[in-house]
Amino acid sequence: EAQVTQNPRYLITVTGKKLTVTCSQNMNHEYMSWYRQDPGLGLRQIYYSMNVEVTDKGDVPEGYKVSRKEKRNFPLILESPSPNQTSLYFCASSQTAFVLYNEQFFGPGTRLTVL
Amino acid sequence: EDQVTQSPEALRLQEGESSSLNCSYTVSGLRGLFWYRQDPGKGPEFLFTLYSAGEEKEKERLKATLTKKESFLHITAPKPEDSATYLCAVQEAGANNLFFGTGTRLTVIP
Repeated sequence: EAQVTQNPRYLITVTGKKLTVTCSQNMNHEYMSWYRQDPGLGLRQIYYSMNVEVTDKGDVPEGYKVSRKEKRNFPLILESPSPNQTSLYFCASSQTAFVLYNEQFFGPGTRLTVL
Repeated sequence: EDQVTQSPEALRLQEGESSSLNCSYTVSGLRGLFWYRQDPGKGPEFLFTLYSAGEEKEKERLKATLTKKESFLHITAPKPEDSATYLCAVQEAGANNLFFGTGTRLTVIP
């Protein structure tokens, strides 16, 4: 089954404790992206990756890191989480085409709480 | 200034009562406009891509249209299972990132 998986689905942590949220897709997609979703603000793009070893900042990259060492995986790293990073996070992927976001597939989400 | 604005924020319809959702955008050049459906507790699900003014796409009871400044998602004779939040997103010409609106929460009452 074609899908985007994220782990963990739920995470409660404390300020400053480094964490990684994993994202994996099994569709051989070149393009992957991370978003956060907050009430009243909608979905905002954090980072995206056009292909292996190619990443770029989205709208809200501060406090986050990403890496793309393999085509299928795109982990999101919070080196020193703060309470304002409490949010619902989504990973997404799409096959590159003329329009990058055509038929973008989203993962199930990771709900992160930073105390 | 928000690049994508959706209205209304919430909409309640009786089953069978057709209506439209609006997505207006302010990017100078449009590369693509996208509609997604999001159910509670789940990731968004892709519905449509529109590229140029005048274009229309249909899927079951949903029809998306595009003008130079806005897009409409028309829902014809909705059913309770159409209840969800509908999100609009825009990719600006020459850019690789994507901007989402805050969505319209649709409730269809049996």
